Amino acid sequence: AQSVTQLDSHVSVSEGTPVLLRCNYSSSYSPSLFWYVQHPNKGLQLLLKYTSAATLVKGINGFEAEFKKSETSFHLTKPSAHMSDAAEYFCVVSEDPYNQGGKLIFGQGTELSVKP
Amino acid sequence: NAGVTQTPKFQVLKTGQSMTLQCAQDMNHEYMSWYRQDPGMGLRLIHYSVGAGITDQGEVPNGYNVSRSTTEDFPLRLLSAAPSQTSVYFCASSSLGRVAVGGEQFFGPGTRLTVL
Repeated sequence: AQSVTQLDSHVSVSEGTPVLLRCNYSSSYSPSLFWYVQHPNKGLQLLLKYTSAATLVKGINGFEAEFKKSETSFHLTKPSAHMSDAAEYFCVVSEDPYNQGGKLIFGQGTELSVKP
Repeated sequence: NAGVTQTPKFQVLKTGQSMTLQCAQDMNHEYMSWYRQDPGMGLRLIHYSVGAGITDQGEVPNGYNVSRSTTEDFPLRLLSAAPSQTSVYFCASSSLGRVAVGGEQFFGPGTRLTVL
């Protein structure tokens, strides 16, 4: 069975410093992996996705993530945090597509705080 | 393009009451799904549909009913609300082609439900 573990429930950074949100996954198949962001009282927005092409994936708002199969990781990074990055971030894996259930497996979420 | 819309945004129910959460999309997506979000647990799949007239259960279907009479709409019914159903509910949609290859889904803004 597939699973996702976000290693930090809360990360706090200062504005202008790098962001690292960690995610490990387990999957028996070649997974599709995503990062979604949820701003307070808002819906979920897709930040970026990995679907077996380039292992370094660039997303919106300066975020990127690197798929490392040997480490089963898909960590999210940004070189310089902005106040508007404060939100909850979800690492997500897509369940075996042959299942056709379309189920997305969500991590528990990491809340990112950005201090001025 | 409105994307995925959900109504109402907020709802308070008493135990035992019934209600329907509405979800609509204007992207002609065959695949639609409902998730619930609880603190520290990410999102969990309740029900999904791969087209009009076809629905199936997800991970946490008990206490919820769905139907899909049109491509655009996928309502979620709570037959007899319980405090354990207090949660934030998200509807999502995607094309079957995208789901079949483990692609991303598009989320609505959510409905925050409180059951007293």
